[in-house]
Amino acid sequence: NAGVMQNPRHLVRRRGQEARLRCSPMKGHSHVYWYRQLPEEGLKFMVYLQKENIIDESGMPKERFSAEFPKEGPSILRIQQVVRGDSAAYFCASSPLEGNTEAFFGQGTRLTVV
Amino acid sequence: AQKITQTQPGMFVQEKEAVTLDCTYDTSDPSYGLFWYKQPSSGEMIFLIYQGSYDQQNATEGRYSLNFQKARKSANLVISASQLGDSAMYFCAMRPYGNNRLAFGKGNQVVVIP
Repeated sequence: NAGVMQNPRHLVRRRGQEARLRCSPMKGHSHVYWYRQLPEEGLKFMVYLQKENIIDESGMPKERFSAEFPKEGPSILRIQQVVRGDSAAYFCASSPLEGNTEAFFGQGTRLTVV
Repeated sequence: AQKITQTQPGMFVQEKEAVTLDCTYDTSDPSYGLFWYKQPSSGEMIFLIYQGSYDQQNATEGRYSLNFQKARKSANLVISASQLGDSAMYFCAMRPYGNNRLAFGKGNQVVVIP
């Protein structure tokens, strides 16, 4: 029973390129959450998705960032035209339902913008 | 909105000693859950312990216990019999009942020395 799988683990992009981060939730989990961890900081909520729906994107930057969770396949966090300030660790968590259940985290993707 | 405060500086702990990590929180939600996560140098987020706001007893999980003082809005983590593998960042987090969007503190650095 695989846990939450994120890939790649490390991603290097030049300024202006696009970054695509993937998250496959645990089997049976239909709720996905993305968090960002800047250096020396705790995790900050970005977006909450269910299959084919964005439920809460209150933590997403207004520009360049988007997320999706299609009917088939992993959830994708997409960052267009990356800047140095986007360098961070991006974590995905999944849960079987919304409510009083634990969310399980993936190992994160460390994005470095050079 | 929820706010988590972890203000202790980095801590050095002697192996086999106990260590207490402070966490205070602020929320207007009547019901909520409190979490502690461990983040070793490898970067993954490891769930340690959970306390519900209506739980009558303090949570315990092996060497981890949570000193929950609701009136003071504090949820300190106690690690007993420290081991070298306990060296990591420790994050306190909370969420209101009914959703899984976690709010994290900035973390406490713990280094266990032999």
